Amino acid sequence: DAKTTQPPSMDCAEGRAANLPCNHSTISGNEYVYWYRQIHSQGPQYIIHGLKNNETNEMASLIITEDRKSSTLILPHATLRDTAVYYCIVDRGSTLGRLYFGRGTQLTVWP
Amino acid sequence: GAGVSQSPRYKVAKRGQDVALRCDPISGHVSLFWYQQALGQGPEFLTYFQNEAQLDKSGLPSDRFFAERPEGSVSTLKIQRTQQEDSAVYLCASSPHNSGANVLTFGAGSRLTVL
Repeated sequence: DAKTTQPPSMDCAEGRAANLPCNHSTISGNEYVYWYRQIHSQGPQYIIHGLKNNETNEMASLIITEDRKSSTLILPHATLRDTAVYYCIVDRGSTLGRLYFGRGTQLTVWP
Repeated sequence: GAGVSQSPRYKVAKRGQDVALRCDPISGHVSLFWYQQALGQGPEFLTYFQNEAQLDKSGLPSDRFFAERPEGSVSTLKIQRTQQEDSAVYLCASSPHNSGANVLTFGAGSRLTVL
């Protein structure tokens, strides 16, 4: 079931920050926000997840609004290799891997 | 190996033929998942194993689809009497967790084309 809304496509200049938005206005208190990406001809790759607080790892930052109804994935310095479909997923974390991916956002990074 | 390995990477089958797709998860990973991805769509859940037990098969589209993981490691997804609508990429994923965070490691997938 679609619990998230993402723009179908975005583009970004190489070296600039890519900010990918996701709306999840019906998120429940115990649901996490997960981000995965899928590069062409590869399987999805986990990026980051969070519950309430902002999170950062070596790949990206996740900013979740205070009301938790939306979030933004930030790739601080996009490279051509970041061109991929990015999926925002809302899940309790205990659904035993039954994730709803939706159609995601096609991010194109141009030189 | 370091990642999830799937074979074959590409399979062409004639309608009505049976196919078997193999998944080698990351060693020691308790959980194993199969997903189906049609062209232009996101992956859709098919089934889930915890060790050798198939705990959720609610996503399997018909009784022609069957998955097994007899020793709790390698898994096989079998499709009997393939139809054209079965053409898709079949993705396998594994996770070290049996509950909690849904951080899955996916393989590159097996692309099935049914003629």
